Amino acid sequence: KAGVTQTPRYLIKTRGQQVTLSCSPISGHRSVSWYQQTPGQGLQFLFEYFSETQRNKGNFPGRFSGRQFSNSRSEMNVSTLELGDSALYLCASSWPLAGGSTDTQYFGPGTRLTVL
Amino acid sequence: GQQLNQSPQSMFIQEGEDVSMNCTSSSIFNTWLWYKQEPGEGPVLLIALYKAGELTSNGRLTAQFGITRKDSFLNISASIPSDVGIYFCAVNYGGSQGNLIFGKGTKLSVKP
Repeated sequence: KAGVTQTPRYLIKTRGQQVTLSCSPISGHRSVSWYQQTPGQGLQFLFEYFSETQRNKGNFPGRFSGRQFSNSRSEMNVSTLELGDSALYLCASSWPLAGGSTDTQYFGPGTRLTVL
Repeated sequence: GQQLNQSPQSMFIQEGEDVSMNCTSSSIFNTWLWYKQEPGEGPVLLIALYKAGELTSNGRLTAQFGITRKDSFLNISASIPSDVGIYFCAVNYGGSQGNLIFGKGTKLSVKP
């Protein structure tokens, strides 16, 4: 079974631009979560989508947004990029369980975003 | 916000040695997870712990969920060069499994 895939793997943008990252979950997984990883802050939760609805949101500004499609694929968008947005952006997917919770998360390889 | 205190930050060991790392929190959590991340890759789940006191093994790896539900440790026995990477503890926060809080990681280096 194919794992979580993320595109693109690497991206270079300049300040003020916007960027869209894509994540395809493992087949059958309906929950997709996004994380930002930086050397200083480590891994930080951005948001989670389940059945096309945002279910949880981390402590990030409104410039960070996401969505999920009916096939569970997800995109995240960052508008008005800042230098501090340079990071590895990780997507994780998981199975749905009874009661609306989800099973353990499986991570993709990430998209390395560099903002110049 | 919630924080996990993971230690040590880094370890330099000789091949064949045993390794121990731990994670503590001021809050109670119902799930403790251990991930490993290698350069250029996303974290890979090693062990998941769902019950206080639970001791679980995965090959040479053993992890325990603390009785107080505020801590966990991971042991690696007889380390080998491919154990190199960053090990993260994580907990489920907010009711769903989709919101994980991670420790800062333990960077493991193994000298052949």
